[in-house]
Amino acid sequence: QVQLKESGPGLVQPSQTLSLTCTVSGFSLTSYNVHWVRQTPGKGLEWMGVIWNGGNTDYNSALKSRLSISRDTSKSQLFLTMNSLQTEDTGIYYCSRNDYGGLIDYWGQGTLVTVSS
Amino acid sequence: DIQMTQSPHSLSASLGETVSIECLASEGISNYLAWYQQKPGKSPQLLIYYASSLHDGVPSRFSGSGSGTQYSLKISNMQPEDEGLYYCQQGYKYPITFGPGTKLEIK
Repeated sequence: QVQLKESGPGLVQPSQTLSLTCTVSGFSLTSYNVHWVRQTPGKGLEWMGVIWNGGNTDYNSALKSRLSISRDTSKSQLFLTMNSLQTEDTGIYYCSRNDYGGLIDYWGQGTLVTVSS
Repeated sequence: DIQMTQSPHSLSASLGETVSIECLASEGISNYLAWYQQKPGKSPQLLIYYASSLHDGVPSRFSGSGSGTQYSLKISNMQPEDEGLYYCQQGYKYPITFGPGTKLEIK
């Protein structure tokens, strides 16, 4: 059974750094690409970036300067780090798997991140 | 970036009715189009991939069609559990992009 689960702090102060973990089960990170997608009131569903099954990464150009995605395949975990958070970064952050070309087939439950002092 | 638009923004339907939601891409996406359903407090769930292929476990009353830049999702025999938000997503070019969503309610 394919599962993805995000974890991390629910509250981040403005200008600080967000660190999230995605733990997956039911598939191998070396066989599938995993994406981070966020859902914000201002922009709806927004693709943030991907870590390919081979380990390379690609990022949304709008976030590239602030964003880093990495993984630990031995632990079936992925990591998202984004710095200089602002209030408009408040939203639900999802990790998700893609199987069909660039199409996402499974999503994590999401984790709410609130940027506030 | 490929822009995705959806219509209508919202609609209401009676039980048993057939509804359609449209998705338009700003350029051709060669059927790399998925449809998702999202319910309050939940993550999106895949319904349709490659424009017309039904994901495992999705009821057959959901169907997708289209080509090029125009795609549609049809829900036949509307059921109470079909209420929710519906999104399209293109996976043809990066960055992946999503439509703004269509809210479907029971009349």
